[in-house]
Amino acid sequence: AQKITQTQPGMFVQEKEAVTLDCTYDTSDPSYGLFWYKQPSSGEMIFLIYQGSYDQQNATEGRYSLNFQKARKSANLVISASQLGDSAMYFCAFAGGGADGLTFGKGTHLIIQP
Amino acid sequence: DAGVIQSPRHEVTEMGQEVTLRCKPISGHDYLFWYRQTMMRGLELLIYFNNNVPIDDSGMPEDRFSAKMPNASFSTLKIQPSEPRDSAVYFCASSPHHNEQFFGPGTRLTVL
Repeated sequence: AQKITQTQPGMFVQEKEAVTLDCTYDTSDPSYGLFWYKQPSSGEMIFLIYQGSYDQQNATEGRYSLNFQKARKSANLVISASQLGDSAMYFCAFAGGGADGLTFGKGTHLIIQP
Repeated sequence: DAGVIQSPRHEVTEMGQEVTLRCKPISGHDYLFWYRQTMMRGLELLIYFNNNVPIDDSGMPEDRFSAKMPNASFSTLKIQPSEPRDSAVYFCASSPHHNEQFFGPGTRLTVL
């Protein structure tokens, strides 16, 4: 079974600094996808970014980028120029092995300080 | 598009009662997923459908849980009888393909 690990339960970061949220995964499948979601205190799940295992380049979406290191099985989320509104829970998720449902990590609680 | 719509947003019920959660996916999305979020277990996939057909229900906790998708624009998750340990936020999500899944706002269920 696939496993997703987020080792940072919580992080405090100064506003405008860059943030790296860690995510590692364990799979023997050659084809898979990695996702990041943001969950603010209001509770909704907001899709941020996706990386396919065969994608040649790291995914980017605005201030979000994914540092994908396939050999190390890591898919860290990088948020550039952090803002107060970035404070939220961030979940890494995995889909692979022919299954379409997501397996989520336990999340990282990010707090941006002014 | 209005996004994924879930109802009710909040549900409080007593143990033993039947609970039905509803979901309307984004039009044109072929995949529909039901997830549950609790403090203890985090986010878990319960079941998902492709073109209205259940594909994987291995995450459904037990026989008290059932899900249906009678057409492309509607799905239900039913718990009968409900128990206090079923208290959680239940999310419905839809997807047009294997990439991003779009989540609804969730239903916060409290079973007393």
